[in-house]
Amino acid sequence: AAGVIQSPRHLIKEKRETATLKCYPIPRHDTVYWYQQGPGQDPQFLISFYEKMQSDKGSIPDRFSAQQFSDYHSELNMSSLELGDSALYFCASSTGYNEQFFGPGTRLTVL
Amino acid sequence: ILNVEQSPQSLHVQEGDSTNFTCSFPSSNFYALHWYRWETAKSPEALFVMTLNGDEKKKGRISATLNTKEGYSYLYIKGSQPEDSATYLCAFPLIQGAQKLVFGQGTRLTINP
Repeated sequence: AAGVIQSPRHLIKEKRETATLKCYPIPRHDTVYWYQQGPGQDPQFLISFYEKMQSDKGSIPDRFSAQQFSDYHSELNMSSLELGDSALYFCASSTGYNEQFFGPGTRLTVL
Repeated sequence: ILNVEQSPQSLHVQEGDSTNFTCSFPSSNFYALHWYRWETAKSPEALFVMTLNGDEKKKGRISATLNTKEGYSYLYIKGSQPEDSATYLCAFPLIQGAQKLVFGQGTRLTINP
């Protein structure tokens, strides 16, 4: 069965650079979520989209933005990267409010 | 601030033994409870979504119960196997209709062969 696809799987950036993470949800899933998991921490919800519109917002810094495109894939744009942005970024998808299926994550390292 | 608490944080169980652990959540304004299984180097895998008081769900050797009045859910694993070693996370939506989930810190289960 198709799963959530995230790219890239690993990303290394310097401070103050920009990064773009991509998420391709499971086909026919209409909702995409982004989570950030820092070292030794719980996953923290960042933002979600339902039918290409932002549906919920969590602890997403102003330096980050995200959008969902017409093909339902989503991109998380991160600017002015800081050391503290180093984390595992998970994307998940669902149909409505049902269980979320997670992608493999993108590990971002900021040097 | 509403928190989800899981206990214990860490658990070591002998292969073949059964075990259980707890997720506690605010009993007021309950909407749903999610259980996820998260193996190291993999992404979280949905186990159950529970919505009704008294719900009991089962998936193979894993089952879960829900008590919304007192604000807890138990996850049971019967006859633990090494492949059950993982972190088990519970999560719930903070607001009805909201999609963002508040996660507990998880119970890290290690099965000793």
